[in-house]
Amino acid sequence: KNQVEQSPQSLIILEGKNCTLQCNYTVSPFSNLRWYKQDTGRGPVSLTIMTFSENTKSNGRYTATLDADTKQSSLHITASQLSDSASYICVVFRLSNYQLIWGAGTKLIIKP
Amino acid sequence: NAGVTQTPKFQVLKTGQSMTLQCAQDMNHEYMSWYRQDPGMGLRLIHYSVGAGITDQGEVPNGYNVSRSTTEDFPLRLLSAAPSQTSVYFCATSGVQETQYFGPGTRLLVL
Repeated sequence: KNQVEQSPQSLIILEGKNCTLQCNYTVSPFSNLRWYKQDTGRGPVSLTIMTFSENTKSNGRYTATLDADTKQSSLHITASQLSDSASYICVVFRLSNYQLIWGAGTKLIIKP
Repeated sequence: NAGVTQTPKFQVLKTGQSMTLQCAQDMNHEYMSWYRQDPGMGLRLIHYSVGAGITDQGEVPNGYNVSRSTTEDFPLRLLSAAPSQTSVYFCATSGVQETQYFGPGTRLLVL
């Protein structure tokens, strides 16, 4: 059973363009939602972390939104750069057993 | 401040061999976890710990053991390696409900 679903699976955009990645979750009880960036061959690096009471959080050119009612989150990347090429992973923290539930990620490729 | 360290970086094992992957952190984090990541796939949780002396199973625990005798160390033991355990293994640490910090990974090949 997939409790964190991400879309699209992969995305190719031109350098300088914006893009939005989606995350839907069914994890309960929900504590917080995180977005990570993972470069090929490296461990994930945290971009944002939001609790259920937060609607939006920014980290430079990355802006995450959260709608806890519909259980949806998005990650918007502005003015993409070649270094943004990576996998972006949505993760939900389940408070009941202190587990992080990981999505499969969206593979983003930025082309010059 | 080393953060999260993992050893070894690479390892080749023969089927049936055992080994221990080491993970150490110097951030005094309570929460530590082990993940595996197969090529082109997402991370899957193997085992985790919310503090010294406390461990629990994740999504894919079979074939692996862990222990947490200190806050700093969280070793992962492969009891009898199988080719299906060929993967990249990541250790991660955090305060409970806080951002996780990942180690550089251990690349394991089981022949």
